[in-house]
Amino acid sequence: GAVVSQHPSWVICKSGTSVKIECRSLDFQATTMFWYRQFPKQSLMLMATSNEGSKATYEQGVEKDKFLINHASLTLSTLTVTSAHPEDSSFYICSASPGQATYEQYFGPGTRLTVT
Amino acid sequence: SQKIEQNSEALNIQEGKTATLTCNYTNYSPAYLQWYRQDPGRGPVFLLLIRENEKEKRKERLKVTFDTTLKQSLFHITASQPADSATYLCALDTDSNYQLIWGAGTKLIIKP
Repeated sequence: GAVVSQHPSWVICKSGTSVKIECRSLDFQATTMFWYRQFPKQSLMLMATSNEGSKATYEQGVEKDKFLINHASLTLSTLTVTSAHPEDSSFYICSASPGQATYEQYFGPGTRLTVT
Repeated sequence: SQKIEQNSEALNIQEGKTATLTCNYTNYSPAYLQWYRQDPGRGPVFLLLIRENEKEKRKERLKVTFDTTLKQSLFHITASQPADSATYLCALDTDSNYQLIWGAGTKLIIKP
């Protein structure tokens, strides 16, 4: 149980284009989903927290107009990197929390984004 | 603000021995503390959660301790195997919406 999928697993795009990453909880309803960014050998950096049906809460320094998050249902959240630039190249990982006083997070396998 | 310290140097352990990883925090005591495993190029996998009123938690070959006086958690893997080689992350709760604060992780290498 508690499986989270993420798609695509890797993507290469040209500078200036937009990329959408999907995160799905497959066997549970996710009250809250999180989007992280991770650089090599560094800790997970929380970008934003999203709750189904409401606007995402972005962490300080994260541009909400550049990283669009939509949490359309209790099983799906999407992150769109708009007008991507090479500095946006990174490993993006989503996680989902069932909530209901369950505090662990279940992670997707991650998406490697390379912007050329 | 809360800071988490995990040993940034890789830990090399001989197969069969017990591996012990450390997680120290600097500020308030969390209500719970979690350990995750992360393999290269993959998302973290939840291993164990320990609450502030628990001293120790076990799961198969894994054991976690939580000392709120020392502000420290220890993560033990007994009878370690090469397949246990990975980066292990420590995470603490915050006041907000199930968010976690993450340590940078310690890379564990189990040598055959």
